[in-house]
Amino acid sequence: SQTIHQWPATLVQPVGSPLSLECTVEGTSNPNLYWYRQAAGRGLQLLFYSVGIGQISSEVPQNLSASRPQDRQFILSSKKLLLSDSGFYLCACSGQGNQPQHFGDGTRLSIL
Amino acid sequence: AQSVAQPEDQVNVAEGNPLTVKCTYSVSGNPYLFWYVQYPNRGLQFLLKYITGDNLVKGSYGFEAEFNKSQTSFHLKKPSALVSDSALYFCAVRDMNDYKLSFGAGTTVTVRA
Repeated sequence: SQTIHQWPATLVQPVGSPLSLECTVEGTSNPNLYWYRQAAGRGLQLLFYSVGIGQISSEVPQNLSASRPQDRQFILSSKKLLLSDSGFYLCACSGQGNQPQHFGDGTRLSIL
Repeated sequence: AQSVAQPEDQVNVAEGNPLTVKCTYSVSGNPYLFWYVQYPNRGLQFLLKYITGDNLVKGSYGFEAEFNKSQTSFHLKKPSALVSDSALYFCAVRDMNDYKLSFGAGTTVTVRA
């Protein structure tokens, strides 16, 4: 079964600073990859998804970007963080067909 | 378009009593339905899924869910709740031809001893 690694677990950044969150997947190949943001422990907002290397779809126009430089690596970035970027960021992956998404343990990002 | 409604923000039950968490969905095609559980400061854990076949689906930790096509519902159930079942539960749906999941807003379950 697949394992999703996310780091760091927590991050405190000043407004205007850059961001790079990394997600790597083990135990599967050619996964679909997803970045979500969860605010206040409630609903999940899909930010980006990728069905292959270099293929990124953005769901919400915002201050963030994503890249997939390798099959099992998904990176979330920002050039300049805003206060509104605070939240709990979750990476997920799924196989093809009717497979469920599996989630990493997330990164809690606080912007000061 | 697809969407999920979880009509209850909170569900409170006593340990040993049955637990039900409600979910209704809307999807244009055939639905794939999922339940997840989230503990504080953790990612979502997959509990069970409905793809096709038997309307009663059994999953992890004694949970089950019943797919009802006419009512477009997929309620999560557990016959006898444990204190350790206290967590945030999410229902999710996607069309069989889509990559993207739509999540409900979540239901906080509290099981009192």
